[in-house]
Amino acid sequence: NAGVTQTPKFQVLKTGQSMTLQCAQDMNHEYMSWYRQDPGMGLRLIHYSVGAGITDQGEVPNGYNVSRSTTEDFPLRLLSAAPSQTSVYFCASRSTGGLYNEQFFGPGTRLTVL
Amino acid sequence: QKEVEQDPGPLSVPEGAIVSLNCTYSNSAFQYFMWYRQYSRKGPELLMYTYSSGNKEDGRFTAQVDKSSKYISLFIRDSQPSDSATYLCAMSARFTGNQFYFGTGTSLTVIP
Repeated sequence: NAGVTQTPKFQVLKTGQSMTLQCAQDMNHEYMSWYRQDPGMGLRLIHYSVGAGITDQGEVPNGYNVSRSTTEDFPLRLLSAAPSQTSVYFCASRSTGGLYNEQFFGPGTRLTVL
Repeated sequence: QKEVEQDPGPLSVPEGAIVSLNCTYSNSAFQYFMWYRQYSRKGPELLMYTYSSGNKEDGRFTAQVDKSSKYISLFIRDSQPSDSATYLCAMSARFTGNQFYFGTGTSLTVIP
């Protein structure tokens, strides 16, 4: 199993540009989520999905869109990049059956918006 | 007030020391308590989790939960340079949309 994969690893954008961060998992997990990690702020939830066709907003959703057309993929779209979106982005997934399920993280995408 | 509070450190200890990392929280509905370890430029990985109150031990690591005080701890015995990382606490309640709430992380350096 590859686990959770993210592409690209690094990206530099100019203000106003758009891009899509890719996330894929091969563990057949229902739940997938996107976090951003900033110094002193910890991991903050952007959007999450509990299954194909179902998405919802997290703590900091503004400026980001998501969709979930398959169980495996959960892309994050930046519509018009802003310097405030400079951050490290992590995708995560886990199963939802049972009482507790470990959440697995991808390696992250480091995004700089100039 | 944030849901989860964690002292960011940084914490620097000599090899072999006992390390204590702590988090406090405000939501009494939290039932699952996790500790993640994150090496530099890597994603977080689960170290331990506990359910409700009590202690859990795994090798050199011990996790403690005190729900009455809304306080959790991670102890590392005989710390090693390979333990140098950022440690994040996380919590969830079974019926809050499956969301995990994270602390800001504590940066730990173990000096050989």
